[in-house]
Amino acid sequence: QSVLTQPPSVSGAPGQRVTISCTGSSSNIGAGYDVHWYQQLPGTAPKLLIYGNSNRPSGVPDRFSGSKSGTSASLAITGLQAEDEADYYCQSYDSSLSAHVVFGGGTKLTVL
Amino acid sequence: QVQLQESGPGLVKPSGTLSLTCAVSGGSISSSNWWSWVRQPPGKGLEWIGEIYHSGSTNYNPSLKSRVTISVDKSKNQFSLKLSSVTAADTAVYYCARAVNWFDPWGQGTLVTVSS
Repeated sequence: QSVLTQPPSVSGAPGQRVTISCTGSSSNIGAGYDVHWYQQLPGTAPKLLIYGNSNRPSGVPDRFSGSKSGTSASLAITGLQAEDEADYYCQSYDSSLSAHVVFGGGTKLTVL
Repeated sequence: QVQLQESGPGLVKPSGTLSLTCAVSGGSISSSNWWSWVRQPPGKGLEWIGEIYHSGSTNYNPSLKSRVTISVDKSKNQFSLKLSSVTAADTAVYYCARAVNWFDPWGQGTLVTVSS
């Protein structure tokens, strides 16, 4: 069971908007720790997609956006494209006895 | 641009010790960053193993702490992972990554299988 909870799967048609949630608690996201998001294409290493809740690294399309509120965070993808089909993970820090660094369980995005 | 490359045996016997090295290129391991190991069992999610600073300071995942040692070799610009008393549950792709609060970049990953 992951400390950060993500839906196992989401799907959308090309051009649509999808969101992926990441729910934590008062010891991680709710404690003010930033949330970061990664995209993992099949057979490849994770790639940083969003850092510091809502910042995009150079080269990441502005179709990807992140937000955080309370004990949760969200990743939104607009104008869905076939190449967006991948696994997405959120990551934060935790101040409890659990791991110093925590990941969500991952969400499989399927483009219909 | 910093790049990371994992290396080490792809097969380890049960009860043995898994040993991996991450070579850092395009930048100094003595920069103001932490250097981490993350693993991913086949078909499963990401699990943080631990991290090291160039000074030698470390942080480990409590669930693995009793079996993990991460070390740094500044002369070779690399850092290493040792995981002892391995079982089949330790079979995973092991990634090294630079940690700045977030992880970027990542190495390509190396699959380590625990089997006799």
